[in-house]
Amino acid sequence: KQEVTQIPAALSVPEGENLVLNCSFTDSAIYNLQWFRQDPGKGLTSLLLIQSSQREQTSGRLNASLDKSSGRSTLYIAASQPGDSATYLCAPAEMDNYGQNFVFGPGTRLSVLP
Amino acid sequence: NAGVTQTPKFQVLKTGQSMTLQCAQDMNHEYMSWYRQDPGMGLRLIHYSVGAGITDQGEVPNGYNVSRSTTEDFPLRLLSAAPSQTSVYFCASSSAGELFFGEGSRLTVL
Repeated sequence: KQEVTQIPAALSVPEGENLVLNCSFTDSAIYNLQWFRQDPGKGLTSLLLIQSSQREQTSGRLNASLDKSSGRSTLYIAASQPGDSATYLCAPAEMDNYGQNFVFGPGTRLSVLP
Repeated sequence: NAGVTQTPKFQVLKTGQSMTLQCAQDMNHEYMSWYRQDPGMGLRLIHYSVGAGITDQGEVPNGYNVSRSTTEDFPLRLLSAAPSQTSVYFCASSSAGELFFGEGSRLTVL
């Protein structure tokens, strides 16, 4: 059974810092991995999707990397802003004969202080 | 683009009442799912569907029913609500392993 952990559980940084959020998963036979952002009381917004054949994916100040063999993904946020404050979740996806299976990490709660 | 639409956004029920959370997507996705999110428990899969007429249980299916009569709609039914079902419920659809979420439905059972 796939298990996903995220480190750190919470992070507080001053505005402008570059930071790294970590995601680890136990089963490396994944189809892809998705990073989400969740603001308090809101739904999950997809940030980046990395296919299993890719090493990294970039969108603006966000860069996500994937190392399937070691069961790790990192989300790098450059020049953090207060608007980046949210909870960030990773979700590796597996595909089998019955369809798709997504397992979510517990999230990293990020606070960026002005 | 509407994406995934959930209704209602908020609902208060009394123990024993029944209700249906609605979910609709306009992306022609075959895969749809329902999650609940509770503090300290993360997102847990309740039920999912891989196409019209096909549903299956997830991690926490007890107390919930689903059906999938069309590709677009995937309602979640609570037959007899219990306080343990107080939670935030998210519907999601997927294509090729990419998940899209609705905005959530916050349910309180008194």
